[in-house]
Amino acid sequence: QKEVEQDPGPLSVPEGAIVSLNCTYSNSAFQYFMWYRQYSRKGPELLMYTYSSGNKEDGRFTAQVDKSSKYISLFIRDSQPSDSATYLCAIPTGSARQLTFGSGTQLTVLP
Amino acid sequence: DTGVSQDPRHKITKRGQNVTFRCDPISEHNRLYWYRQTLGQGPEFLTYFQNEAQLEKSRLLSDRFSAERPKGSFSTLEIQRTEQGDSAMYLCAMMGASGNYNEQFFGPGTRLTVL
Repeated sequence: QKEVEQDPGPLSVPEGAIVSLNCTYSNSAFQYFMWYRQYSRKGPELLMYTYSSGNKEDGRFTAQVDKSSKYISLFIRDSQPSDSATYLCAIPTGSARQLTFGSGTQLTVLP
Repeated sequence: DTGVSQDPRHKITKRGQNVTFRCDPISEHNRLYWYRQTLGQGPEFLTYFQNEAQLEKSRLLSDRFSAERPKGSFSTLEIQRTEQGDSAMYLCAMMGASGNYNEQFFGPGTRLTVL
């Protein structure tokens, strides 16, 4: 079983839609949960991270962690064409704080 | 622009050749990571430096791969006797000494194509 698994997509939505992106993880000891956005031919950029359970909101983005089911989600409200990118969940799994990433979900927001 | 630069941005090579990539970090970020990303997948951890010391290596880092970070500044990743399976994006990432995830930045990557 992979440490981090992500719904693969691709996902295509109309502008203004609410987007839900999801990952599951295997180890209940994990404490930090990250979401990255990666535009084509660029490196990943950190969108937000959460510690332990609960929700964290930043503008149109909300990250949610459910530790009981080992499930993490990223919600994008009022999606925009500029949100079109690949979204990656990631968890620090090693002693050096190296990240284990999900496989990514490619999102296209249609104008 | 994250302040992390990588060179070259693209490299095309023939199987069996050696290639070297360079990462120039943000100053005062002493943690440096190398990742590899294949098409349609998330990045996979290769190796980690704290200052000039290489402290962690993934099992993905075969003996054909070597990384250095002399003087704790820029880093190089060399692949010897390249294979077609080495074709990927190689990403460098930096993190500040505090280990704060808000201070982690990725470079734009070097895309390697092995023919």
